[in-house]
Amino acid sequence: EVQLLESGGGLVQPGGSLRLSCAASGLTFSSYAMTWVRQAPGKGLECVAEISGSGGNKYYADSVKGRFTISRDNSKNTLYLQMNSVRVDDTAVYYCAKDQLFDYWGQGTLVTVSS
Amino acid sequence: DIQMTQSPSSLSASVGDRVTITCQASQDIRKYLNWFQQKPGKAPKLLIYDASNLEAGVPSRFSGSGSGTDFTFTINSLQPEDFATYYCQQYNSLPPYTFGQGTKLEIK
Repeated sequence: EVQLLESGGGLVQPGGSLRLSCAASGLTFSSYAMTWVRQAPGKGLECVAEISGSGGNKYYADSVKGRFTISRDNSKNTLYLQMNSVRVDDTAVYYCAKDQLFDYWGQGTLVTVSS
Repeated sequence: DIQMTQSPSSLSASVGDRVTITCQASQDIRKYLNWFQQKPGKAPKLLIYDASNLEAGVPSRFSGSGSGTDFTFTINSLQPEDFATYYCQQYNSLPPYTFGQGTKLEIK
């Protein structure tokens, strides 16, 4: 059974940093692109970053480009999102999801940016 | 970037009704469209991929159609557990892929 488990969310001040992790099991992790999707309170879904299976290709939404970095460690079956220079409007539940089908999602981790 | 316009943004219906949601892409996305269901406090769940293919384990009352720029999602004979928010998403262009703004389906 495929499982994705996010961690690392919490309260951070504007301008601060946070690193999210997504631990994967039940799949050949390195074979799949992975995506971080966020959902602000009461709002819709936004893909913020995607990384190819090898880690060689990375894509970012304009809203996070230059501030967030997606990475992965295939030896640990783990996906990361390094969030720097966070803003109040980065407040959201962050989900990791499997490739372009998005057929598996984690349960989400809440990031709150507030002073 | 490809924009996805989903309508309506909200919908009231009764158990047993047939409901339809539409999604329009700002450019040709061929068949590369997903439909998701999301319930409060939960991650989205994939229902339909490649515009019309039912994900394994999803009831057959859910269906999708369309290609190019215009897509339709239908639920036949609404069940109580179907009241949720539904999203379309394109994955034709380079990522990050874009979602529609969502349709909240409520009980009449």
